Amino acid sequence: AQKITQTQPGMFVQEKEAVTLDCTYDTSDPSYGLFWYKQPSSGEMIFLIYQGSYDQQNATEGRYSLNFQKARKSANLVISASQLGDSAMYFCAMRVFEGTGGFKTIFGAGTRLFVKA
Amino acid sequence: AAGVIQSPRHLIKEKRETATLKCYPIPRHDTVYWYQQGPGQDPQFLISFYEKMQSDKGSIPDRFSAQQFSDYHSELNMSSLELGDSALYFCASSLRGKGADTQYFGPGTRLTVL
Repeated sequence: AQKITQTQPGMFVQEKEAVTLDCTYDTSDPSYGLFWYKQPSSGEMIFLIYQGSYDQQNATEGRYSLNFQKARKSANLVISASQLGDSAMYFCAMRVFEGTGGFKTIFGAGTRLFVKA
Repeated sequence: AAGVIQSPRHLIKEKRETATLKCYPIPRHDTVYWYQQGPGQDPQFLISFYEKMQSDKGSIPDRFSAQQFSDYHSELNMSSLELGDSALYFCASSLRGKGADTQYFGPGTRLTVL
């Protein structure tokens, strides 16, 4: 079964420190895409970073990096130098081919990050 | 840069009423997705359209229907509303031919069914 698992319902981090949000996935499809989205309390979903299953290097976007360990099926998000504005819900998502001719994107349950001053 | 536009941003309806949510994708994006996010839950995929044709179908109830128009905007029609339909409804768009097919989300429409 295709699944995304985020085991940390909530995380605290001190401002200016780095934090890792865990994400593991399960799929038998060799081709897939992994995404991280941020959802602040205002509700919008903000795209952060993408990692393709065939990408050799870990994706990085500014303070965000994705620690992609394919053999372990993990795609952890690392946020460096946390800022107060990073406090939000973070969703890991996976896009896979459904086999019926279409694609599907599934989301994890999310991790709520609290950044302390 | 232009983003995904959704209207209305907030909607209050009573049980058994109908609602129509609109989505205007990022210009030149060819794929539109609809998601439903209940309180404290992760987004659940409802349906998507690629080049104005239904592409994938998720957990969309039979009471809901959607379409994509010639100008690529999409509408989600919801009938016989139930209390459980109260949620945040997101539209996302992407350019499918561009590898990652990254979905960019709109601000969402918050639907409250009384």
